[in-house]
Formats: sequence, C-alpha cells, structure tokens
Amino acid sequence: TQLLEQSPQFLSIQEGENLTVYCNSSSVFSSLQWYRQEPGEGPVLLVTVVTGGEVKKLKRLTFQFGDARKDSSLHITAAQPGDTGLYLCAGANTNAGKSTFGDGTTLTVKP
Amino acid sequence: EAQVTQNPRYLITVTGKKLTVTCSQNMNHEYMSWYRQDPGLGLRQIYYSMNVEVTDKGDVPEGYKVSRKEKRNFPLILESPSPNQTSLYFCASSFRGGGGQFFGPGTRLTVL
Repeated sequence: TQLLEQSPQFLSIQEGENLTVYCNSSSVFSSLQWYRQEPGEGPVLLVTVVTGGEVKKLKRLTFQFGDARKDSSLHITAAQPGDTGLYLCAGANTNAGKSTFGDGTTLTVKP
Repeated sequence: EAQVTQNPRYLITVTGKKLTVTCSQNMNHEYMSWYRQDPGLGLRQIYYSMNVEVTDKGDVPEGYKVSRKEKRNFPLILESPSPNQTSLYFCASSFRGGGGQFFGPGTRLTVL
C-alpha cells in the first residue's frame, strides 16, 4: 500500500506570512496532485505535477515535485485569509485506478 | 457548466435499509471513483471505474457495491448499511486514471 504523509497537520499563521506544506512518500508516483477543500465542500484541484523536479506556480502558490517523484511541497507566499482551508496531496500512477491521499494540512490564516 | 453531481446531499437512514447514492458527470470522463472522508482518517478510496463496465476495489470496499452501465453515471450502493458507514462520501471523475480529479459536493450519510 502506498502511503502519503503530510506535514504539518495543522498550521495557523498571520496574514502576510509565508508557509510551506510537505507531502512525503516512500513510493514513486507518476503524478501528484494538490487539492484545497473548504468545510462542507468537495476538494478542488489546484495542480498536477508529473515530472521529477517540476515546479509550477499558481499566483502566490508554488508547487514542486521531488526529483525522485516521491515527495512534493506547496509554498504559499504572503498568505491571505482566503487561503484558509484543508490542503490535500494525492498520488497516482498513469492510467491506474488507485489514488492515495495524504491526511491533509489544515491551514488557518488570521487577518 | 462542467460538474459532478451527487444525490442526495444529506441522508439519515437506519441499519439494514438498502440505499443508493447517485453520481453523474457531464465531462465525458472515463474514470470515476468513490471516496469516504472521516475525521482523522482522511480520504479513502472505496471503488473506482476506469470505463463502462470496468470497476475495481479501492482501499475500503467492504459493504459497498458500484456499477458503471453508462459513462456518465457511477452509483454507490449500500445493500445493508451499518453505523460504521456513517461518513461523508465524495464522487470524483477525471479524463483518465492517474489524472487530477473533479469532485462532487459530497453526501453526508448517517446510519442509525
């Protein structure tokens, strides 16, 4: 069974601070996704990374896939209250059905 | 609008009473999947389908059934629900397996 560990589990910061969330595994994945989930709603896809060492940027969010495709990080610059939510990473393999999700990082950004 | 829909959104039922949660997507996606989300346990995959008439077990399939007779629909069936199936359920779809998924709004199920 492939496992994904996210850290930290909880993060509470002030508006304007920077933060990094980590997603680690002992297994190799063909692709890794990051999602954001708000209370009472389904997860929303933020990004998919597929190449080892790949870096993708989405406004103030920077996503990196590890060279060995076993880990990933999400960096948020100048966090805003609207960034508050549960951040989930998920790993999968190309054309395979099984997806493995991390337990999530609950981020709270205080104004 | 591209979306995944689930019905019902909320359901309270009793032990042993068969129920079906419907899931439909309008994006012509080949891949669909069901997850349950529980506090402290994260999102766990129940069943997935790579295409019509092709389904397979995820990590927690016990007590659930699925079918994929049409590309757009992927219902989740609980033949004899039990209280340990009380959870928040999500349906998801993607163009192909291994890709980023679009999630439905969730179905909160309570089994008494």
